[in-house]
Amino acid sequence: GDSVTQMEGPVTLSEEAFLTINCTYTATGYPSLFWYVQYPGEGLQLLLKATKADDKGSNKGFEATYRKETTSFHLEKGSVQVSDSAVYFCALLNQAGTALIFGKGTTLSVSS
Amino acid sequence: GAGVSQSPRYKVAKRGQDVALRCDPISGHVSLFWYQQALGQGPEFLTYFQNEAQLDKSGLPSDRFFAERPEGSVSTLKIQRTQQEDSAVYLCASSLDPRQGARGYTFGSGTRLTVV
Repeated sequence: GDSVTQMEGPVTLSEEAFLTINCTYTATGYPSLFWYVQYPGEGLQLLLKATKADDKGSNKGFEATYRKETTSFHLEKGSVQVSDSAVYFCALLNQAGTALIFGKGTTLSVSS
Repeated sequence: GAGVSQSPRYKVAKRGQDVALRCDPISGHVSLFWYQQALGQGPEFLTYFQNEAQLDKSGLPSDRFFAERPEGSVSTLKIQRTQQEDSAVYLCASSLDPRQGARGYTFGSGTRLTVV
């Protein structure tokens, strides 16, 4: 079945460091891909998305490119801030379009 | 309302007790989803409604779990005879248009259920 694998955390960085969180997927066809973020005490928020191969999603300085050759959707940011500390989830939309399949999440902690 | 509202925020239940979790989606949102998020895990799909119709309940882990949305707005997730493995955060999400897919989801803050 469909699945998402993302790098285990926690990831601990200093402010202004470069961030990469790896995400790979297994699915039938070419599903839409997403990154969601969960700040402490808040609900999941959509960070960015890509709906087809080679699409690049971007938001708030974060980027991810849909790579069908490597079935990957790695999240990157050039310079992280303390306010980026959160849990990040990679997800795909199932073929029926009715459910998101999430990875286990990666906790990012940024210190000043 | 402005967002997806879930209540209660926290629920402690004794093993064997029945619980009911409520979700108030954004007004006018057609699609409604329930997810279960165990500690340290990603959310897992439970069930999906389009208006009052439950179109997908493949993620419900057992027949102790039951969800309804009788008037196509508020939804209730009921868990009968709770077990310790039911301890998790239960997330609700809604979407205005089913054709938007996941890009249109708005998630609530969840209900944290602890079974003791």
